[in-house]
Amino acid sequence: EPEVTQTPSHQVTQMGQEVILRCVPISNHLYFYWYRQILGQKVEFLVSFYNNEISEKSEIFDDQFSVERPDGSNFTLKIRSTKLEDSAMYFCASSEEASRTTEQFFGPGTRLTVL
Amino acid sequence: SQQGEEDPQALSIQEGENATMNCSYKTSINNLQWYRQNSGRGLVHLILIRSNEREKHSGRLRVTLDTSKKSSSLLITASRAADTASYFCATGPTGANSKLTFGKGITLSVRP
Repeated sequence: EPEVTQTPSHQVTQMGQEVILRCVPISNHLYFYWYRQILGQKVEFLVSFYNNEISEKSEIFDDQFSVERPDGSNFTLKIRSTKLEDSAMYFCASSEEASRTTEQFFGPGTRLTVL
Repeated sequence: SQQGEEDPQALSIQEGENATMNCSYKTSINNLQWYRQNSGRGLVHLILIRSNEREKHSGRLRVTLDTSKKSSSLLITASRAADTASYFCATGPTGANSKLTFGKGITLSVRP
């Protein structure tokens, strides 16, 4: 069964460093998302991406964040200068089509720890 | 209450019993999705129910949606120890915007 994959599973970085989290969405999916979950809190939407551009972003997704689809398979989230409060589990998700209701399938997550 | 708020916050049952979890939301929705998360792991999609649907089944899962009350319930029948996890409802808004808004989740413990 196709699934969303994410690498790395755990990333430890120093405050102020740049990190890139990688995702491979399900191959025939067209809509991509990043969410995050701070320990013990709700899953929060960060950004959605469709047709090679951002469709929507939340207030969390400020200038320190960017997304890219560098090739036909990868979808990345970059945090330019990490802060302590960026420590969280980051989930990538994908869905088939945005114009009709479809399920969003999530990857296993990358746990980001900022020291 | 916040969009996609579940209750109870924690539920402990004996294996074989049924587990019912509720979710309430405030704004109009296009769909509502339930997810399971094992401790520290990813989100597993369980079931999606559209705003024009009232009930859906998938194996031991039964989901209902009452748009007039802005609420949904997830029933797990004949629970197993392996069902122990956190369960989240997530709402998808109307219109082209398809982000999901998650609740805080329900921690289900199934005692063997």
